[in-house]
Amino acid sequence: EPEVTQTPSHQVTQMGQEVILRCVPISNHLYFYWYRQILGQKVEFLVSFYNNEISEKSEIFDDQFSVERPDGSNFTLKIRSTKLEDSAMYFCASRRGGDYGYTFGSGTRLTVV
Amino acid sequence: AQSVTQLGSHVSVSEGALVLLRCNYSSSVPPYLFWYVQYPNQGLQLLLKYTSAATLVKGINGFEAEFKKSETSFHLTKPSAHMSDAAEYFCAVRTSGGSYIPTFGRGTSLIVHP
Repeated sequence: EPEVTQTPSHQVTQMGQEVILRCVPISNHLYFYWYRQILGQKVEFLVSFYNNEISEKSEIFDDQFSVERPDGSNFTLKIRSTKLEDSAMYFCASRRGGDYGYTFGSGTRLTVV
Repeated sequence: AQSVTQLGSHVSVSEGALVLLRCNYSSSVPPYLFWYVQYPNQGLQLLLKYTSAATLVKGINGFEAEFKKSETSFHLTKPSAHMSDAAEYFCAVRTSGGSYIPTFGRGTSLIVHP
């Protein structure tokens, strides 16, 4: 069964550093998403991406965050200057379109020290 | 606006016992409702979804959920728990029109004892 692949599975970074989280969505999917889950809290929507542009974003997705689909297969989330509170599990998801459901990746655990 | 509340961050059952994970939703328009499961070190996997057809929805691994509009609930049940059911379960809601962005609950961790 097709999968959404996320790398790395765990990343530790120092506060203030830039990180890039990588995702390879399912090849025939058109809509791409990033969610995050801070430990013990709910899964929160960050941003959706369609047709090479952001279609929706939450209030969490401020100027420190950016997304890109640089080569037609990868979908990346960049955090420019990480803060301690960015420590969370970040999930990538993709959706084919219409009323098809999401497929989620297994997540990247980001730890900011 | 839409939201979900999952009652109980942890639910503990014995193997073979009934599993009941509670979810209440708030939505100003008819909702679509979902249950996702997350096994350790894996992504979220769709268990089942309600999209305004039958109110009793059957999903994978023997789970089912019933949409009760009067109670604004969508509780997840399984008659007999297996050890392999131990995981984190998330309820999610989205409106039937417009954005496809679901709102997730905090999750309930299901612990199954031998």
